[in-house]
Amino acid sequence: SQELEQSPQSLIVQEGKNLTINCTSSKTLYGLYWYKQKYGEGLIFLMMLQKGGEEKSHEKITAKLDEKKQQSSLHITASQPSHAGIYLCGADIGGGADGLTFGKGTHLIIQP
Amino acid sequence: ETGVTQSPTHLIKTRGQQVTLRCSSQSGHNTVSWYQQALGQGPQFIFQYYREEENGRGNFPPRFSGLQFPNYSSELNVNALELDDSALYLCASSLGPYSDYGYTFGSGTRLTVV
Repeated sequence: SQELEQSPQSLIVQEGKNLTINCTSSKTLYGLYWYKQKYGEGLIFLMMLQKGGEEKSHEKITAKLDEKKQQSSLHITASQPSHAGIYLCGADIGGGADGLTFGKGTHLIIQP
Repeated sequence: ETGVTQSPTHLIKTRGQQVTLRCSSQSGHNTVSWYQQALGQGPQFIFQYYREEENGRGNFPPRFSGLQFPNYSSELNVNALELDDSALYLCASSLGPYSDYGYTFGSGTRLTVV
């Protein structure tokens, strides 16, 4: 099974609506990253969370880390067409120099 | 301040050939890591170089090798290419070898093996 599970796999949301993407780890989290990716392109950094209970916001995107549940959520408020893309969570689950383990991504489509 | 740049952007190779991909790290970053992203999947960690030495490796065979140069730019070499090596290869640079430094990703190289 995947070490990092994202849900849902895909999401179609009407413009202006709120949405939440979840990321759950089967191992201890030493750091959790959220990235956005347009198809076939590089990863755009959104947020990094390192401490349990940490919550960060940037514009209309908020991310939270629940260390006890080994889970993070990404919430978008009042979605816009510019939010469309693939959202990836990546986590340090080794605590060393082993890079990030990524989920498979959530494909977000915004309907006008 | 320039970000992470990768070259080439696209590449087509024949099975059995060898390929070299290049990455220039962001200014001030001394650590480079490489990832392979197959279609519809999340990126998978290949290896990481810190101050010219490999200091972390994922579950990839030895035909995947790398180099980091004194200016901290890096190369990923893949020998004996297989069809399954077709993927987007992403390079990321950071200020240090641990995840709390953060990672800046490049736009990737799309490799197609035929």
